Amino acid sequence: NAGVTQTPKFRILKIGQSMTLQCAQDMNHNYMYWYRQDPGMGLKLIYYSVGAGITDKGEVPNGYNVSRSTTEDFPLRLELAAPSQTSVYFCASSYGGNQPQHFGDGTRLSIL
Amino acid sequence: GENVEQHPSTLSVQEGDSAVIKCTYSDSASNYFPWYKQELGKRPQLIIDIRSNVGEKKDQRIAVTLNKTAKHFSLHITETQPEDSAVYFCAALNQAGTALIFGKGTTLSVSS
Repeated sequence: NAGVTQTPKFRILKIGQSMTLQCAQDMNHNYMYWYRQDPGMGLKLIYYSVGAGITDKGEVPNGYNVSRSTTEDFPLRLELAAPSQTSVYFCASSYGGNQPQHFGDGTRLSIL
Repeated sequence: GENVEQHPSTLSVQEGDSAVIKCTYSDSASNYFPWYKQELGKRPQLIIDIRSNVGEKKDQRIAVTLNKTAKHFSLHITETQPEDSAVYFCAALNQAGTALIFGKGTTLSVSS
């Protein structure tokens, strides 16, 4: 049972480039989340999804886009990368909002 | 807006002592309160959670208490060990019941 799988683990981007962070879960969870964690800081919610075809903004959605075409996958798209988006990105999933969230190992992204 | 305050931001204890971390939340409709532990460079992992229909929950050396009237909940770790050193995050479920609002974290250091 792989749980929540995030790819890539590390990435360096140049300013203005675009990329997609992948997240997949094999637990048949309906809810999926994307967070960013800046060094020494807490978790900030970027986007979340309560099921396939449904997405909603979190606290810091600007500069990001998401899609949820299947239950398993929840990719995060960065368009026109900026240095302020340098962070560690965590994907998580759960059966419901009031159920434990399971986190992936994170993607460490640097934008130079 | 919905908010979770967490204190203290750092906590240093001697091995064998107890540690207490406190959180307050703003939305009286919140009914789910998990605690996550994040070791350096790792993903957050759930250590204990509590729902609004109970006042206290224990799991070996870890306990969580909830006071709904005062809108605060606390994490208690007894007989601390060096491996308890980590960042601890509290969270509360948002009013819509769809996402967690995280505190900013407490860095716990246990010295032997």
